[in-house]
Amino acid sequence: DVKVTQSSRYLVKRTGEKVFLECVQDMDHENMFWYRQDPGLGLRLIYFSYDVKMKEKGDIPEGYSVSREKKERFSLILESASTNQTSMYLCASNGGSSYNSPLHFGNGTRLTV
Amino acid sequence: GQQLNQSPQSMFIQEGEDVSMNCTSSSIFNTWLWYKQEPGEGPVLLIALYKAGELTSNGRLTAQFGITRKDSFLNISASIPSDVGIYFCAGRIFTSGTYKYIFGTGTRLKVLA
Repeated sequence: DVKVTQSSRYLVKRTGEKVFLECVQDMDHENMFWYRQDPGLGLRLIYFSYDVKMKEKGDIPEGYSVSREKKERFSLILESASTNQTSMYLCASNGGSSYNSPLHFGNGTRLTV
Repeated sequence: GQQLNQSPQSMFIQEGEDVSMNCTSSSIFNTWLWYKQEPGEGPVLLIALYKAGELTSNGRLTAQFGITRKDSFLNISASIPSDVGIYFCAGRIFTSGTYKYIFGTGTRLKVLA
């Protein structure tokens, strides 16, 4: 089974703090994604990566950055946390552009700022 | 960001009843995915569909990829209390030179024993 692990289930941070959300997958997947999930807004893509050291902006990248130094690990960084970044953050991965490679999610990190 | 139209938004049903929900879009997708999410958890993949007309089952769950490639439905037969949760669809689309997932708004299911 695919396993996508997010390092923290719950985080509480103060405004202005730098926040790191870590995600690791164990299936050698090329693609990794960071979403945030908010009531009434559904899942919104923040950033994604198709390869090591590669990153692409999603629909709502403002206030965030990412790092992918190793294939299995994709980190989301909030440079200076703000209250409007309180949300559920979901990491996901899948394998390349293969037709038969569905998106698998981690358990989520609920961040309160 | 873009979201798929998913209906119903929520439903209360009696244990043992069958449930049906669907997602529609004006865009054509090459993959449909169905997920279940429980409170405080990440989405769990239920069924993946890859071809128009495809009908796939996973236990009491059955999903179909619409012939027009613009819709999909999920059926749950003989519902049980542990079916409670939020179900949502996701469609995979190739746009602007990259693959992108669009998510449904979710169907909140409550099962009355």
